[in-house]
Amino acid sequence: AQSVTQLDSQVPVFEEAPVELRCNYSSSVSVYLFWYVQYPNQGLQLLLKYLSGSTLVKGINGFEAEFNKSQTSFHLRKPSVHISDTAEYFCAVSRTGGFKTIFGAGTRLFVKA
Amino acid sequence: ETGVTQSPTHLIKTRGQQVTLRCSSQSGHNTVSWYQQALGQGPQFIFQYYREEENGRGNFPPRFSGLQFPNYSSELNVNALELDDSALYLCASSLDNSPLHFGNGTRLTVT
Repeated sequence: AQSVTQLDSQVPVFEEAPVELRCNYSSSVSVYLFWYVQYPNQGLQLLLKYLSGSTLVKGINGFEAEFNKSQTSFHLRKPSVHISDTAEYFCAVSRTGGFKTIFGAGTRLFVKA
Repeated sequence: ETGVTQSPTHLIKTRGQQVTLRCSSQSGHNTVSWYQQALGQGPQFIFQYYREEENGRGNFPPRFSGLQFPNYSSELNVNALELDDSALYLCASSLDNSPLHFGNGTRLTVT
């Protein structure tokens, strides 16, 4: 079985500062990894995905994530955040591309002016 | 392309009642998954339908059931509603095993 742990429930940060949202996963088999973003009163939107290949993955809105197999981590980063990045971010894992995707509990990113 | 649409957006039901939530898949997608997201938590997998057959289920009781139609739209039915069923119900579609595309959800309140 797979599981996902998001290490921070809330991350406050000032506008234009860098941010890292941490995610660790557990699985006995190879998995696919995802980051999704959820804005208030909306569904989840895919930010980026790691399926195979290069361990540094670039996504939408200037976000990127690095897959680290030895540390079983998939941390999300952005070099300079905007007020509009305030949202809930979910790390997720799946044995295939989308079947039975397992989500973490989420990290609330709050960007302050 | 048309995204995933869910109806209704909000719903209030009484404990013991039954509810049906609806979802239209994104154009070209053949797989539908349903998730329950309680307040302050991540989405929990309920089940998935592929070509009208259930092909995976999470840790939810049988009173949670679903259907997928030939046009790949879907329904989630919940019988004998309990207070703990209050949550945001998310539908997601995909093509085979590609990443999920989510709708905006149905907010169910059980009183």
